[in-house]
Amino acid sequence: QVQLVESGGALVKPGESLRLSCAASGLTVNDYYMTWVRQAPGKGLEWVSYISNGGTIKRYADSVKGRITISRDSAKNSLSLQIDSLTAEDTAVYYCARVRGGVLSGYFLIDYWGQGTLVTVSS
Amino acid sequence: EIVLTQSPGTLSLSPGERATISCRASQSVTSNYLAWYQHKPGQAPRLLISGASSRATGIPDRFSGSGSGTDFTLTISRLEPEDFVLYYCQHYGGSPFTFGQGTKLEI
Repeated sequence: QVQLVESGGALVKPGESLRLSCAASGLTVNDYYMTWVRQAPGKGLEWVSYISNGGTIKRYADSVKGRITISRDSAKNSLSLQIDSLTAEDTAVYYCARVRGGVLSGYFLIDYWGQGTLVTVSS
Repeated sequence: EIVLTQSPGTLSLSPGERATISCRASQSVTSNYLAWYQHKPGQAPRLLISGASSRATGIPDRFSGSGSGTDFTLTISRLEPEDFVLYYCQHYGGSPFTFGQGTKLEI
């Protein structure tokens, strides 16, 4: 049974940094593309970033490019998202998810999601 | 980037009725790479439909998807009380992945 559990969400001040983690079970993160999607209060879902199964391909949404780094830890079977220079616009629930497919397949179907972790940016 | 527009934003129905949610794309969706998700607040979103019309594993047959090109539909044939939550469509044929703005199904 695939399970994704996010952690690391917190109340932080503008300009600070935060690292989110996603612990995976029932799957090996090295075998799949993995992604982060966020949802701001009262808004829809917004894709943030993905990393390939080989770890060599990383892509970021234009809205976060330059401030966000996606990575994974094979030993811990986990995914991480480092967010720097946080602003109020980054306030959202951040979801970790598994992707079926990838660049070679030409599609990126999100088939399993975590329950999310809340990041609140406020002074 | 493909923009997805869902309608209606909110749909008010009763248990046992039929729900129809529309998702319109700003350009043709490659290979019908269109998915539907159900999202209950505080829970992980759940994949319902992929490839515009293929039900995911374990999804009841009262959920069905249809459409091609730029116009897609999610139909819930006989609403159960647990179906009154949020629904999103998503284009997954390339990055950036894009989502519709969501449809709230309420009693």
